[in-house]
Order: sequence, then structure tokens, then C-alpha cells
Amino acid sequence: EIVLTQSPDFQSVTPKEKVTITCRASQSIGTSLHWYQQKPDQSPKLLIKYASQSFSGVPSRFSGSGSGTDFTLTINSLESEDTATYYCHQSSSLPQTFGQGTKVEIK
Amino acid sequence: EVQLLESGGVLVQPGGSLRLSCAASGFTFSSHAMTWVRQAPGKGLDWVSLISGSGRSTYYADSVKGRFTISRDNSKNTLYLQMNSLRAEDTAIYYCAKAPTPDYYDSWGQGTLVTVSS
Repeated sequence: EIVLTQSPDFQSVTPKEKVTITCRASQSIGTSLHWYQQKPDQSPKLLIKYASQSFSGVPSRFSGSGSGTDFTLTINSLESEDTATYYCHQSSSLPQTFGQGTKVEIK
Repeated sequence: EVQLLESGGVLVQPGGSLRLSCAASGFTFSSHAMTWVRQAPGKGLDWVSLISGSGRSTYYADSVKGRFTISRDNSKNTLYLQMNSLRAEDTAIYYCAKAPTPDYYDSWGQGTLVTVSS
């Protein structure tokens, strides 16, 4: 099973600050890495597919990069509505797995 | 508009069985793989199972293999998860999600809560 490790677990940031979340895979997964946002008491929502492809309707301040084992989700100019937990997800091999999540709060 | 509506979550005793349903609308159901993902209270996302659009191919997490069965009825636009031999650690919100490819999930339901407790 491929283990995804996100860092940090928690981040408290001020509005308009840049946020960087990393996701490291225990073995190479190419670009089969996707990012989701889950706001409190809501279902997850897709942000980025295949490491860097933005999903339709997602604000342009969200971007993804990486391949192989190291991936990054960047939120440029954080807004208050971005308070959420962010998860990476790999589909390179079964069972599919998720990272443990990174909680982002606004200071 | 894509809509996914889960149902069937209840309080059940350890060792019991339950069937979850996910009613889909707003897209060609039979053309898409579907998945179940769960989330224990206060915890992260946990992939459970995936089924192809035709229903011929199914995949499971090791933690549920042999106990859970994913299926679909394309004539009713409905996804199912039959859960047997339930354990306390199966307690979670269960989400169904639509997979445009078997790789990622672009629409999620609101979830249904399964509680396994005596």
C-alpha cells in the first residue's frame, strides 16, 4: 500500500498569505495525485487532478505541482473562505489511499 | 446538475449487516465508475471501494475485503454498499462519489452516518 504523508498537519495563516502544503508518496506514483478541499461539516471537493490540472470552477489561486514522490498544493493569497482541511489522494495503485490531511486556519 | 444522495446509515450492533444506497442523477450513471469513501468521526478520508461503470470490475480496501460488497443497478441509477460483519472501527460517515475516470472523484454526496456499537 502506498502511504501519503502530508506536511504540515496544521497551518494558521493570515489572509493574503501564501500557503504551501506538501504530500510525499512512499513510492513513485507519476502524476496520479489529486487534491481535495473539505470545509467543516461539508463533503470533500476536488481541487486539482493529476498533480497539476485545475478542476473546473476552482479559483485560480489554487495550483498543484510535482511528480514521482513529491507534490505540492499552493494557495496564493489565502482568503477566509479557504479555511478547510486539504487532502492528497493517489490512484497509481490499489488500494487507493489518502494523505492524513492538512488543516488550514485563518489567524 | 450532478446529485448524489446516500441513505441507509443507522446504528447497528457489532457483527451486524447494513446496505447503503447512493441515488445518482444529473449524469449518465452507467458511463462512470463510482466509489465509496468513509470518514471516521474527527478523522481523515479512507478509501473503501470502487466499481467500474458496467459493474464488472470491483476493488476493495484490505480492511473491508471479504466483508463489504460494492454493486450498482444502472437501470435505477443507484450504487450500493453491502456491509457485513460490521466492527466498531467501521463507524464513519460514508460518502459516495462519481469518478470521471477511476483515478479521481469530481462529485461527492453529503454522506450517511454508520454507527457500529452495542
